[in-house]
Amino acid sequence: QVQLVQSGAEVKKPGASVKVSCKASGYTFTSYGISWVRQAPGQGLEWMGWISAYNGNTNYAQKLQGRVTMTTDTSTSTAYMELRSLRSDDTAVYYCARGTEYFQHWGQGTLVTVSS
Amino acid sequence: EIVLTQSPDFQSVTPKEKVTITCRASQSIGSSLHWYQQKPDQSPKLLIKYASQSISGVPSRFSGSGSGTDFTLTINSLEAEDAATYYCHQSSSLPFTFGPGTKVDIK
Repeated sequence: QVQLVQSGAEVKKPGASVKVSCKASGYTFTSYGISWVRQAPGQGLEWMGWISAYNGNTNYAQKLQGRVTMTTDTSTSTAYMELRSLRSDDTAVYYCARGTEYFQHWGQGTLVTVSS
Repeated sequence: EIVLTQSPDFQSVTPKEKVTITCRASQSIGSSLHWYQQKPDQSPKLLIKYASQSISGVPSRFSGSGSGTDFTLTINSLEAEDAATYYCHQSSSLPFTFGPGTKVDIK
């Protein structure tokens, strides 16, 4: 069965960076893109962008341009999302999901807390 | 950016009742509209893709309709386990966006 397993919770100071991993199994990794969605505490879902696991093409939300980088490692079927220059309003649960248009399989979420 | 609005924001419903949630897009998105269910402390779950296409493993009481700018998620004969927040999501135009969510509570 398809599984996406994300790395554990992180606590970061403002200005730091965080890198969240998402290890995929149960399907051919390069056949699907990986999208990232975040959810601030008590808030709705926010699309962050996606990466093609086939050729590495990316598309990022404009508000995150310059601060976010999505990558993949096809040898380990793992996707990564790095967010730099963290601010308090980046505090959220970060989800990876399989697909670039709709998201049928999701990771369990990674809580990133930004606090001084 | 395409803005999605949902109504109602909140609905309290008795079991077996029919629930209708609407999602309106700020411009036409064809059928590129998907619905998710999220229960507290869980990841979202895909219910409907491309406005009306069913998803394997999702109960048949969930259905979707609409195209262009107006879409509907219908839950026929609500069950207690359907208490959740429901989100619409468009993939017609970048940046992809989500609606603000509709919380469904069980009376």
